Amino acid sequence: DTGVSQDPRHKITKRGQNVTFRCDPISEHNRLYWYRQTLGQGPEFLTYFQNEAQLEKSRLLSDRFSAERPKGSFSTLEIQRTEQGDSAMYLCASSSLWQGDYGYTFGSGTRLTVV
Amino acid sequence: AQTVTQSQPEMSVQEAETVTLSCTYDTSESDYYLFWYKQPPSRQMILVIRQEAYKQQNATENRFSVNFQKAAKSFSLKISDSQLGDAAMYFCAYRTSAGNQFYFGTGTSLTVIP
Repeated sequence: DTGVSQDPRHKITKRGQNVTFRCDPISEHNRLYWYRQTLGQGPEFLTYFQNEAQLEKSRLLSDRFSAERPKGSFSTLEIQRTEQGDSAMYLCASSSLWQGDYGYTFGSGTRLTVV
Repeated sequence: AQTVTQSQPEMSVQEAETVTLSCTYDTSESDYYLFWYKQPPSRQMILVIRQEAYKQQNATENRFSVNFQKAAKSFSLKISDSQLGDAAMYFCAYRTSAGNQFYFGTGTSLTVIP
């Protein structure tokens, strides 16, 4: 297991298009998190899964955003009708139940550019 | 509301010297965790060090140590014997003991001068 994988690394899309990102957490981690990081800012929390259940959602996660984690394994984050303000790095992280106290393991992120 | 403030957007240090990065936070909680993460250019964030609020002893990890002042809500990171590989963006982060989300500061970009 080489860590948290995110795909794609980069995505350029036209405004109004839908995009989907994938995150594969460390296999034994039951917790998965999505964060968004805009230029010059720290990561901001979007949503959190424990196994397949989405337990928390930030108000940043508008109706155009949806996240899933079927079967408690990989997760997808979809953005519908993208806007230029959606341009950011989308980070995925995972942790086990106890490891969360010791911080997450982050993926390398998906950089989204909306043109 | 929990907020994390990093007042130094950029810092630089000579190789082999010591540098301190500042972080303050605001919370009404008594039990929480504080973290420093390192984000090298185009690479993933890596945990540098963590501190539990109930522990008075400052955490240390090799060349990295913190100065945790709970009453002042201050959590600075000291990097000793700076190396070229320490160059990165450093983020201070906070999490309540019962919560699931981290609150990050805006980061400090550290340059190491050879």
